[in-house]
Amino acid sequence: EAGVAQSPRYKIIEKRQSVAFWCNPISGHATLYWYQQILGQGPKLLIQFQNNGVVDDSQLPKDRFSAERLKGVDSTLKIQPAKLEDSAVYLCASSLGRGTPSTDTQYFGPGTRLTVL
Amino acid sequence: AQSVAQPEDQVNVAEGNPLTVKCTYSVSGNPYLFWYVQYPNRGLQFLLKYITGDNLVKGSYGFEAEFNKSQTSFHLKKPSALVSDSALYFCAVRDPPQENTPLVFGKGTRLSVIA
Repeated sequence: EAGVAQSPRYKIIEKRQSVAFWCNPISGHATLYWYQQILGQGPKLLIQFQNNGVVDDSQLPKDRFSAERLKGVDSTLKIQPAKLEDSAVYLCASSLGRGTPSTDTQYFGPGTRLTVL
Repeated sequence: AQSVAQPEDQVNVAEGNPLTVKCTYSVSGNPYLFWYVQYPNRGLQFLLKYITGDNLVKGSYGFEAEFNKSQTSFHLKKPSALVSDSALYFCAVRDPPQENTPLVFGKGTRLSVIA
């Protein structure tokens, strides 16, 4: 079974530029998550989708971050404009999202390492 | 709000010795608890989870964890460490009374197994 795919793996940009990340979840997984992992910290949830609807985006900095999952499969996360403090690894995860979602196991992609100069 | 603490930044253990990576949590209800491992330049890999039932949970690669409600702990253990177990380990908790509460991760513990 193919895992969660993410691209690009690495990205270096200057502050105030824009950047986009792509995620393709495990086939059949209804729930998709984007996390931000700053060096030395655990992942922090940015946004959660159930199919193509947003379930939780309370920790997404909406003035600069946006995400979409238009057809309920793959997703993009965008930052515009980027700040120095956005340097982090951006992880995408997916889970089945059926039955009792809170017990679901989340499966993570390899992440995109963003460096903002 | 739920929270999780991993009190040790680094754990060093000799190959073949037992290992323990500590995790304590704070929730309002009965917790759902998870352990993940992260190897360099890779995403998190699921090891095991506790939802309900037997307090001793067995997972991948010979790891197990014991849920202790009175001590609010969920320590990860392995009877005999391998050099290949060296990685970053994350404990995570979800507070289930609200269905869509996020999974909250600890800051991680780096395990180093020395040959």
